[in-house]
Amino acid sequence: SQTIHQWPATLVQPVGSPLSLECTVEGTSNPNLYWYRQAAGRGLQLLFYSVGIGQISSEVPQNLSASRPQDRQFILSSKKLLLSDSGFYLCAWSRDRGNEQFFGPGTRLTVL
Amino acid sequence: KQEVTQIPAALSVPEGENLVLNCSFTDSAIYNLQWFRQDPGKGLTSLLLIQSSQREQTSGRLNASLDKSSGRSTLYIAASQPGDSATYLCAAQGRGSTLGRLYFGRGTQLTVWP
Repeated sequence: SQTIHQWPATLVQPVGSPLSLECTVEGTSNPNLYWYRQAAGRGLQLLFYSVGIGQISSEVPQNLSASRPQDRQFILSSKKLLLSDSGFYLCAWSRDRGNEQFFGPGTRLTVL
Repeated sequence: KQEVTQIPAALSVPEGENLVLNCSFTDSAIYNLQWFRQDPGKGLTSLLLIQSSQREQTSGRLNASLDKSSGRSTLYIAASQPGDSATYLCAAQGRGSTLGRLYFGRGTQLTVWP
């Protein structure tokens, strides 16, 4: 069966510090991968998606970037965090675009 | 741009009631629609996925319907239990250039009390 992991589970960072969140998927190959953010008072927003290694599409211009160094690894990064980057970050995968998406446990990021 | 609305925003009911959660979307050109459950501080659990060509899907006590032409989906929960307490989210998936992108509603927060 497939499993999706995210770490860390929670993170508190000062404004201006860098960020690296990791997502890995087990039990499948060549998944489509997604990063979403759930901010207080707002719905889930798609940030990035990837259909393969090194292939990243950005949905919303922002202070964040994503990379996919391996088939089942997806990383969300920032060079300098802003207060507005606080939120709950969720990684998801699907077998192909259009298929059912499955979500990880999430990372709660608080920027102070 | 697709906009998804969920009504009601919150619902509190006694155990045993049958419930209907509503989801509406502005662009009927969707690829599919997915219902999720989210427990506090947790990720999303996929409940049901309805393809655009389907009218409904069932899983246990859950039944989801889709009326694409009117831009509506409903999630029916039979014989509700306290363990059903959670936030329920619907998400419409776009077609064509937006395939793979889920457009989420803000959810219905459900509380089922014993």
